[in-house]
Amino acid sequence: EAGVTQFPSHSVIEKGQTVTLRCDPISGHDNLYWYRRVMGKEIKFLLHFVKESKQDESGMPNNRFLAERTGGTYSTLKVQPAELEDSGVYFCASSQDNGNYGYTFGSGTRLTVV
Amino acid sequence: AQSVSQHNHHVILSEAASLELGCNYSYGGTVNLFWYVQYPGQHLQLLLKYFSGDPLVKGIKGFEAEFIKSKFSFNLRKPSVQWSDTAEYFCAVNSWTGNQFYFGTGTSLTVIP
Repeated sequence: EAGVTQFPSHSVIEKGQTVTLRCDPISGHDNLYWYRRVMGKEIKFLLHFVKESKQDESGMPNNRFLAERTGGTYSTLKVQPAELEDSGVYFCASSQDNGNYGYTFGSGTRLTVV
Repeated sequence: AQSVSQHNHHVILSEAASLELGCNYSYGGTVNLFWYVQYPGQHLQLLLKYFSGDPLVKGIKGFEAEFIKSKFSFNLRKPSVQWSDTAEYFCAVNSWTGNQFYFGTGTSLTVIP
């Protein structure tokens, strides 16, 4: 089966610009997660979708971040306007169940805000 | 809140050396424990996991981990590392009541041929 796919793999943008990250989960996986790793720190939870609904968005850092999952398939994570501290690697993951038994991760999008 | 500590940030070993990476977590309830690995340029992959039962779990590529409940630890081991084990290793926990993972800061392992 195809894995979790993330686009782009790298993005370099200027402070104040907008960036949209995309995640295509494994087909049939209702659960989709976004995580972020700021350099040198731990990977932190951002939010969890079940189909198109946000199940838990407690990890979203602020209202500059907007995640959507229209139709319950792929998801986008938009950062607008981007700040320097938003730099990091954004991981997407999906699971068929509620994720207690592990996820399948994508390769991540490395975002650099300059 | 749950937290995970990985004691070693960077480890450099020669091939055939033994490996042990420490992981401690803080959570009072029942947890699931995981080790993920990220090889250079690749996605995070599940190395092994523990839910219940035998506290010594075996994963892929000869890795194993031991859950010691009294120490809140889940250390990763491999008797003899190979150059291909060069990667970043992440310990993670989640609880039965939650759906999010808590990760450690990761340990970068470099194996010298």
